[in-house]
Amino acid sequence: DTEVTQTPKHLVMGMTNKKSLKCEQHMGHRAMYWYKQKAKKPPELMFVYSYEKLSINESVPSRFSPECPNSSLLNLHLHALQPEDSALYLCASSRGLAGEAYEQYFGPGTRLTVT
Amino acid sequence: QQQVKQSPQSLIVQKGGISIINCAYENTAFDYFPWYQQFPGKGPALLIAIRPDVSEKKEGRFTISFNKSAKQFSLHIMDSQPGDSATYFCAASTIYNQGGKLIFGQGTELSVKP
Repeated sequence: DTEVTQTPKHLVMGMTNKKSLKCEQHMGHRAMYWYKQKAKKPPELMFVYSYEKLSINESVPSRFSPECPNSSLLNLHLHALQPEDSALYLCASSRGLAGEAYEQYFGPGTRLTVT
Repeated sequence: QQQVKQSPQSLIVQKGGISIINCAYENTAFDYFPWYQQFPGKGPALLIAIRPDVSEKKEGRFTISFNKSAKQFSLHIMDSQPGDSATYFCAASTIYNQGGKLIFGQGTELSVKP
């Protein structure tokens, strides 16, 4: 199983709402990532978790709050977002953070629209 | 110095032709160069990757050529098919010397005409 799943596929939320994005992998990977991707742009790294601990935070605003409850699951909690936060949010995983383990597998993404 | 410059931004190729996408980098510490393929509405998928101690790597119709002295690498798609129409991203990282994040190029939108 080389699949990363993300739910929901689409999400529309108002600026005062609280919502969460979910990512799951069952490949035994110990590193998980959140990326944000705007139309016709490359993915931008937001957060990296390694062995369920936050390893990298790319200076992301606090209205985005990641959580890694276990090695298979990654959440992104959203609160008080702005319209400019509308984007495709991608989750990825890899066996590790260095060397041959670094190959990243991406999920299909959640298309987020903030109204 | 952390940038990866990708060209062209868009590319139209006839079916059966060769598609060529180029990337250039400055950081000589980069030691991992993957290419990702992304279809509309989908996440990127790893296509092929190369390390700087190899000048060429081929997987099926996809070939990476790597020129360490010029700090350039390219993706060649032989016998291009309409199903190859997608956005392609090159990337670079320092995964062997130190854990590092993927630095992506800006992407190339490939359209293969039947």
